[in-house]
Amino acid sequence: AQKVTQAQTEISVVEKEDVTLDCVYETRDTTYYLFWYKQPPSGELVFLIRRNSFDEQNEISGRYSWNFQKSTSSFNFTITASQVVDSAVYFCASFYGGATNKLIFGTGTLLAVQP
Amino acid sequence: GAVVSQHPSRVICKSGTSVKIECRSLDFQATTMFWYRQFPKQSLMLMATSNEGSKATYEQGVEKDKFLINHASLTLSTLTVTSAHPEDSSFYICSARGSQGPGELFFGEGSRLTVL
Repeated sequence: AQKVTQAQTEISVVEKEDVTLDCVYETRDTTYYLFWYKQPPSGELVFLIRRNSFDEQNEISGRYSWNFQKSTSSFNFTITASQVVDSAVYFCASFYGGATNKLIFGTGTLLAVQP
Repeated sequence: GAVVSQHPSRVICKSGTSVKIECRSLDFQATTMFWYRQFPKQSLMLMATSNEGSKATYEQGVEKDKFLINHASLTLSTLTVTSAHPEDSSFYICSARGSQGPGELFFGEGSRLTVL
């Protein structure tokens, strides 16, 4: 079955701390895409990153970095030196093509960054 | 980047009325659009997948007659909540699949429906 698990429901950190959001996916497909989205209180989804299953290279974008490990089916997201503006719900998602053809979301992690 | 527009962003209606939400891909053709529903403090749940010119594919547990989806053109899909009730109040978000690959997905801003 296709499934995305975000075990951390809520995380609270103090500004400038580093924080890692976990994401574990399940699939039998060999081709799939992994995403991270940020959802601020306004509700709009903000795209952060997309990774395909053939590209295990880790990525860094400013204070954000992602660690993709196929061996553990994980796609974790780290925010370095967190800021109050990072407070939001973060969703990990996986898109399965072919016959499945759908994007499945994890349950989300609410990140609260305290000043 | 590609833009997907949803309208209206907020709608309040009386119980028993029908509400239509539009999802438009503004600068690309979307052969596939997805409709999601999100209850407060919960995740996005896929309701249905619509392909241009064909009937939508609904997820298990989603009432087809309640949530009518039409994808009449390559740039427009509509979700109509028929005979809305307070329990239909939710945040509805559409997503459009671009032509660059299966993982090319763009989301609308969402539509918040409140049924009184």
